[in-house]
Amino acid sequence: DQQVKQNSPSLSVQEGRISILNCDYTNSMFDYFLWYKKYPAEGPTFLISISSIKDKNEDGRFTVFLNKSAKHLSLHIVPSQPGDSAVYFCAAIVANAGGTSYGKLTFGQGTILTVHP
Amino acid sequence: KAGVTQTPRYLIKTRGQQVTLSCSPISGHRSVSWYQQTPGQGLQFLFEYFSETQRNKGNFPGRFSGRQFSNSRSEMNVSTLELGDSALYLCASSPTRGTGELFFGEGSRLTVL
Repeated sequence: DQQVKQNSPSLSVQEGRISILNCDYTNSMFDYFLWYKKYPAEGPTFLISISSIKDKNEDGRFTVFLNKSAKHLSLHIVPSQPGDSAVYFCAAIVANAGGTSYGKLTFGQGTILTVHP
Repeated sequence: KAGVTQTPRYLIKTRGQQVTLSCSPISGHRSVSWYQQTPGQGLQFLFEYFSETQRNKGNFPGRFSGRQFSNSRSEMNVSTLELGDSALYLCASSPTRGTGELFFGEGSRLTVL
């Protein structure tokens, strides 16, 4: 049961343009969402997060949007740079309740972003 | 601050053998989690330890086990290795539980022949 899905395995974008990475989830218990970036031969690094009480969070070139009713979130990168080329994982967690899901990150399959110069 | 350190970085085993992977978290971090990354399944949660206690476990068979020591260092063990256990095993640490903001190591790449 894939509770977090990234339906686009890859995305190719021209430098300077916007990159939009999408993620859908099914578990309504998730209350905190994160994006991680992963370069080859390195571990994932935390990029940006959003609480379920918000619909937008911005950090420099990166903005995450959350649509709770649609159970959908997206990551916007503007402007895209060649150094942004990496695998992007969306992840979700039950952060504010106990139970068996607490503390466990559920990841999507990842989207390979390639930014062309 | 030193990052999360995982050893060994690469290893090759044969079916039926067992393997132990080690993780040293960032100093002061008390929560350690383990994830398995494979091309087909993405990143999957194995287990989480906090204060030497397993707090959460993913949907993996009992061949996968782990522990955490009093200095927060953690080990995971896989017994009776199968070909499908070939994967990148990632350890992550965080100062507390539940925020999801994890600091990952570079991983241990296990190949089972």
